[in-house]
Parts: sequence; structure tokens; C-alpha cells
Amino acid sequence: QVQLVESGGGVVQPGRSLRLSCAASGFTFSSYAMHWVRQAPGKGLEWVAVIPYDGGRKYNADSVKGRFTISRDNSKNTLYLQMNSLRADDTAVYYCARDPRGHCSSTNCYWAYMDVWGNGTTVTVSS
Amino acid sequence: EIVLTQSPATLSLSPGERATLSCRASQSVGIYLAWYQQKPGQAPRLLIYDASNRATGIPARFSGSGSGTDFTLTISSLEPEDFAVYYCQRAGLTFGGGTKVEIK
Repeated sequence: QVQLVESGGGVVQPGRSLRLSCAASGFTFSSYAMHWVRQAPGKGLEWVAVIPYDGGRKYNADSVKGRFTISRDNSKNTLYLQMNSLRADDTAVYYCARDPRGHCSSTNCYWAYMDVWGNGTTVTVSS
Repeated sequence: EIVLTQSPATLSLSPGERATLSCRASQSVGIYLAWYQQKPGQAPRLLIYDASNRATGIPARFSGSGSGTDFTLTISSLEPEDFAVYYCQRAGLTFGGGTKVEIK
């Protein structure tokens, strides 16, 4: 069945780095745009980053710009989130999610919605 | 940046009652609005996309409406499993702050 499984979370000190992975199965991963979404403890959902099916133009939320990088390896059916210079306010559950219609034209990118979600991986930034 | 404002923050209702949740955008998003349901300890679940289209497997008691800046999610008759937090999202990006539907 269609599935996304995140891994790589843990406890990390402020200023350090962490890389999250999201393993996809049950669908043609290379055909879909993918997102990362996070949720701080007791808070709402926050969109983090998106990458089109071919790994081309990527977009980040302002809150993580310059620190987080989204990437993908279509040969491994895996999505990544490289998180550098981590701060206490990055503490959250991180979800990967599939966008069934997201794509980029020659001039613009269009994102749609998230129809498949992983169960999340928890990142705690603390000294 | 487009901001989504959901209201009310909390909705206290009894099973069988009708729930009406609102999502207002700071500027037009066309029909590109989705609704998600999240229960404690679980990932969000897509309910509605493109303002009014039910996702696969979503019961008919859930319906979405609206366009431009004003959107509504309606649950026609609350079932016990519907008590949860609901989020709107525009075009795969910004989320609203959420509405908690709790048992009265």
C-alpha cells in the first residue's frame, strides 16, 4: 500500500545538524512533488519545504531559509531534509507528505495539497 | 504572504449536531484550499481539496465550500470519531491555526 516512513529524528544540541529521511513505497515516488511539514509540541501545522518530482526548484518557509535543505533520491525512493544550525524552536514532529498535483512549469511552480502523510519523526533541540 | 485565519478556535458540540468551521484568507486563493483532520498522536488526514472535493474514503457528512477568501468546512452530523482538530491549507503551503472540535 501507499506508505511514507520518516526516520532520523532525535535529540540534538542547538547549533548542530540532523538529516531526516522519508522512505516511500507503494507508488511511483519519482512522479510526485513532496513536502516536509512540522508541528511543534501543542501547536499547529507549519509547512517547511517542498521539492518537485525531478528535484528541480525547491522552496522553503522563511523560518528555515538558509538552514534547511530539502532533497530527494528518486533511485532510492527517498526524500531528505538536511537541517543545519538547529535552534530550540525547531523542536517538532516532522512529517513528509505527498503532493499529487504539484509541479513546475518553465516559469512558475504550483503546489496543491497533501494526500499521503507519514507518521512523523520527532526532533528535539536541547542542550 | 497569504495568511489563513480559522474560526472559531474551539467548537463545543454534541454528537449528531452540525459543525461549521470557517477559514478566511488574507487575499484570494481561488479554489486552492484543502482541509485536514488531525487526532491526537496521529498524522493529519486529507478531507477536502480544491475547496469542495472530498478525498478518497471521506464520508459524505464532510463537505467543503467557498472560493476566493472565504471557505467553510461542514460536518453535517457529528460522529464520535469526528472530534479532532481541523486545519485549512492554501495551495499546498500555508496552514491556518486550526479549529478544535470538542465534545460538549
